Amino acid sequence: DVKVTQSSRYLVKRTGEKVFLECVQDMDHENMFWYRQDPGLGLRLIYFSYDVKMKEKGDIPEGYSVSREKKERFSLILESASTNQTSMYLCASSLRQNEQFFGPGTRLTVL
Amino acid sequence: GENVEQHPSTLSVQEGDSAVIKCTYSDSASNYFPWYKQELGKRPQLIIDIRSNVGEKKDQRIAVTLNKTAKHFSLHITETQPEDSAVYFCAASSSNTGKLIFGQGTTLQVKP
Repeated sequence: DVKVTQSSRYLVKRTGEKVFLECVQDMDHENMFWYRQDPGLGLRLIYFSYDVKMKEKGDIPEGYSVSREKKERFSLILESASTNQTSMYLCASSLRQNEQFFGPGTRLTVL
Repeated sequence: GENVEQHPSTLSVQEGDSAVIKCTYSDSASNYFPWYKQELGKRPQLIIDIRSNVGEKKDQRIAVTLNKTAKHFSLHITETQPEDSAVYFCAASSSNTGKLIFGQGTTLQVKP
């Protein structure tokens, strides 16, 4: 049974703070993804990684960076949080071009 | 760039009726089309997917059809039940990296 976990369910940060969101999967998937979900906009891809230390920009990478030092872990970093980054953040993993398994999400509020 | 359009944004049906959600995609190289269901407060979960070498796939009350020429695919739910109420997302992929482009989502309400 695939398990994707995220470090926090809820997070409140202040404008300008550096924020780390972590995602861990236990199924040896090579692909990992970070999305943000906002009402009416669906799931928008921020960054993804298809191998350790490899990353590619998604549709909305501005203001974000990522790190993948180990296969099971994919981190999303907000260098200087802003109020427009208040959102639900979802991590996912997959094996090649197959089903993506999602984590429970982190609801981030930036004040 | 790559784009997936999903319609309608909201859909309300009576229990027992059928529901149809339609998506169009822009990248002609797309070859994998999954559908995800997201219940309130939960994570999205795959309910059915189809690859470009088939035109239709069925799993109990759920079916997906694909028209590659027209670049559109549809989700059909028959004999709807209240537990089918959720947000449904279509997606398309053209790469072995598994990168998905999602539609904007359809909120389905099934009235008992």
